[in-house]
Amino acid sequence: DQQVKQNSPSLSVQEGRISILNCDYTNSMFDYFLWYKKYPAEGPTFLISISSIKDKNEDGRFTVFLNKSAKHLSLHIVPSQPGDSAVYFCAASAAGTGANNLFFGTGTRLTVIP
Amino acid sequence: KAGVTQTPRYLIKTRGQQVTLSCSPISGHRSVSWYQQTPGQGLQFLFEYFSETQRNKGNFPGRFSGRQFSNSRSEMNVSTLELGDSALYLCASSLRVSQDTGELFFGEGSRLTVL
Repeated sequence: DQQVKQNSPSLSVQEGRISILNCDYTNSMFDYFLWYKKYPAEGPTFLISISSIKDKNEDGRFTVFLNKSAKHLSLHIVPSQPGDSAVYFCAASAAGTGANNLFFGTGTRLTVIP
Repeated sequence: KAGVTQTPRYLIKTRGQQVTLSCSPISGHRSVSWYQQTPGQGLQFLFEYFSETQRNKGNFPGRFSGRQFSNSRSEMNVSTLELGDSALYLCASSLRVSQDTGELFFGEGSRLTVL
C-alpha cells in the first residue's frame, strides 16, 4: 500500500527551463513533507521540506508547493541545470503523531538536457 | 564532519543464510533509521532506534531485526534470506527523535544480493 505516490518515473527537461516534479499522498495524517535527491551510488540527500501549515516553501532555485485539499505536492526547479539530473524522492511523515518514520515515493528520474 | 558510514557496501548471500549490516551515524546523532530500497517499492522504512531503544517499526517480517549500541552505532540483521530481500539497505541518522525538520542524513547504503 503506497501512501506516497510519484506517478512519473522519469522526466526530461531542457537546461534553463522549469522542472516540475509531482507527488500525491493518501494519508491525511501526514503533516510534514520533504524532497530528497539521489545520485547513483550515493545515499539520498535532503533538498527541501514543507510543513502542512504552509502552502509554499522556497529555497533558491527550488520551490515546493503543497495543496492539502488535493493531497498533492510539487517541486519546481527553476532554472534547471544539468547537475540537477538525479532521482528525486518525495517523502512524508506524520510528525505530529510522534511517529518518526518517513514514507517515500518510488522516485522520479530527472534528466536535464544541456 | 564524517558522514553516515555503512559496511559492507556490497555483499552476496544465498537463500537461507543470514546477514548483518552495520551503520555508524554522524557524530552526535542519536537516532538511526533503516530503509530498504527496491526498484518497484522505493524506500521503505524498516525501523528506527534512539538511545538503544527501537522507537518505531515498519511493516516487515520478524526476520528483519536491528539493534543500537551505546555509541549510537547500529546493526540490522536479516535471517533466513529470501530472493526478495535483494535490495539496497540505507541507514540514516538524525540529531533528534522528533523529526520536525525531517532531515535525515543517509549513508551510501549496503547492496545485498541474494542468490
